[in-house]
Amino acid sequence: EAEVAQSPRYKITEKSQAVAFWCDPISGHATLYWYRQILGQGPELLVQFQDESVVDDSQLPKDRFSAERLKGVDSTLKIQPAELGDSAMYLCASSQDRGPYEQYFGPGTRLTVT
Amino acid sequence: GESVGLHLPTLSVQEGDNSIINCAYSNSASDYFIWYKQESGKGPQFIIDIRSNMDKRQGQRVTVLLNKTVKHLSLQIAATQPGDSAVYFCAENIDSWGKLQFGAGTQVVVTP
Repeated sequence: EAEVAQSPRYKITEKSQAVAFWCDPISGHATLYWYRQILGQGPELLVQFQDESVVDDSQLPKDRFSAERLKGVDSTLKIQPAELGDSAMYLCASSQDRGPYEQYFGPGTRLTVT
Repeated sequence: GESVGLHLPTLSVQEGDNSIINCAYSNSASDYFIWYKQESGKGPQFIIDIRSNMDKRQGQRVTVLLNKTVKHLSLQIAATQPGDSAVYFCAENIDSWGKLQFGAGTQVVVTP
């Protein structure tokens, strides 16, 4: 069964350091999403890609967060510099195309900023 | 603002009983809804979805009901098992790009 892959699974970093997360969506999925989930809450969308283009980054803190999907396949989310409030689960999801389709999530990266 | 919400933060169910998890949504234009199951430390797992042109959809041991009149969504789990213990989220599609808005979740605890 095809799955969304993410790495690393866990990351501990000191504040002011840079951190990066990687996501490989299900093969053939054109749409890729990055979510942030704070413990006890539902995921919140940070950025959405359609192929290699960003179609929604309205909730992405652009002063410190960046995301790219250069070839329209895998994607990287970066935080620089990390702040204590960035501690959360970072989830990647993909769907076959834009619009109302099933979104499948990866296992997430648990980030702890100390 | 508009949001998806859950009535019960925690649901305790005896093994073998049926579970019902409720969700209220406020965006009457939403046309697609998904239920996810999330176990501790894992990503959300797709359970079942339903489109707004339907009022009921069944899967394996799960049924989703959609009442557009009162903007209410529910997930029914038949013969609840210990492996069903998790947090359940409903999510609402809120734009043409497929953006999902999640509720806070309901913790389901299955007791022997």
